[in-house]
Amino acid sequence: QLVVTQSPSASASLGASVKLTCTLDSGHSTYAIAWHQQQPGKGPRYLMKVNNDGSHTKGDGIPDRFSGSSSGAERYLTISRLQSEDEADYYCQSWGTGIWVFGGGTKLTVL
Amino acid sequence: QVTLKESGPTLVKPTQTLTLTCTVSGFSLSTTGEGVGWIRQPPGEALEWLAIIYWNDGKRHSPSLKTRLTITKDTSKDQVVLSISNMDAEDTATYYCAHVNSSGWFDYWGPGTLVTVSS
Repeated sequence: QLVVTQSPSASASLGASVKLTCTLDSGHSTYAIAWHQQQPGKGPRYLMKVNNDGSHTKGDGIPDRFSGSSSGAERYLTISRLQSEDEADYYCQSWGTGIWVFGGGTKLTVL
Repeated sequence: QVTLKESGPTLVKPTQTLTLTCTVSGFSLSTTGEGVGWIRQPPGEALEWLAIIYWNDGKRHSPSLKTRLTITKDTSKDQVVLSISNMDAEDTATYYCAHVNSSGWFDYWGPGTLVTVSS
């Protein structure tokens, strides 16, 4: 069964960098994932797709401060030069044969 | 520019059937590779995938809700319709539709619509 797991929370200071992690289950460790950002009170916004080899495909207008990478079954979203508007929930999403799944989301607090 | 917008009732009673419409623009539901999915989010909780329909009328449903879901499309109206039968308080959520690209991930989202289930 395809499962993606995220830490519930993360925090970092204004202007610093933060790396969020999405972990695929062992049976699907080579799958790609997509990252979505949900700012308070808003709908989700697609950020990027991250492949097994670390390559990533960003959505429209996503700043260069956002980047993706990969190691084993883990897929990462790194946000550099944190801004107040980056405080949001971040969801990873994967998909397989006939099924789509979301992680539980990581709530990012910008200190 | 791809856009999607959900519409439907904001309040339904328990046991009723919910019908939501997603109106799309910027792409055609008849173009090879295109798809639209529905995702919901209960208040304060995570996103949950519900169903997807493709350009060729192929459909996929969440296994946990499969018996209650119906997804259809009207290409001439650029609309995708999701019905959920036997609504319950636990179905109270914001419902989103999203564009599914040919590679399989959601890359454009609608703003969402909040549906409350209450008598």
